[in-house]
Amino acid sequence: RKEVEQDPGPFNVPEGATVAFNCTYSNSASQSFFWYRQDCRKEPKLLMSVYSSGNEDGRFTAQLNRASQYISLLIRDSKLSDSATYLCVVNLVGGYNKLIFGAGTRLAVHP
Amino acid sequence: DTGVSQDPRHKITKRGQNVTFRCDPISEHNRLYWYRQTLGQGPEFLTYFQNEAQLEKSRLLSDRFSAERPKGSFSTLEIQRTEQGDSAMYLCASSDEAFFGQGTRLTVV
Repeated sequence: RKEVEQDPGPFNVPEGATVAFNCTYSNSASQSFFWYRQDCRKEPKLLMSVYSSGNEDGRFTAQLNRASQYISLLIRDSKLSDSATYLCVVNLVGGYNKLIFGAGTRLAVHP
Repeated sequence: DTGVSQDPRHKITKRGQNVTFRCDPISEHNRLYWYRQTLGQGPEFLTYFQNEAQLEKSRLLSDRFSAERPKGSFSTLEIQRTEQGDSAMYLCASSDEAFFGQGTRLTVV
């Protein structure tokens, strides 16, 4: 079983749509959680951290469910520029802060 | 530019050759990470430095791979006797939240 699992997609949505991605992680000792965004052939960039209470950054909302070991990302009012791969990432407690990445979910927003 | 810098951006090499990549982290960050990413996968952890000390190495880092950070600033990743399976994007990152460089794309032919 992979440590972080995501639906690879692609999710094809029209502009303005709301789209949600989920990811599950296997290690209950995971301490920190993130969503990264990666454009084609570019480096990953931190989109947002994920907190237990849930957090929002503009059109993006992240949720964490520790009991079920899943993380979600909701994107509202999708823009063409949101087209990218979204990587779910966890950080294991007790380690040297190495990040464990999922394989990513591809989002394609079309006009 | 105050971000993480990697050099070269692209490298094409023949199988069996040695290659070396360089990473210059953000100057005040004392943690430095190397990751490898293949097509369709997320980045995979290779190794980690705290200042000049290499504190952790992944099992992915075979004996053909070696990484150094001699003065706690820039780091190098060397691959000896490259194989086609080494073709990937090699990413360097600094700090806990991993500010990534633009990566070195290695193609072994």
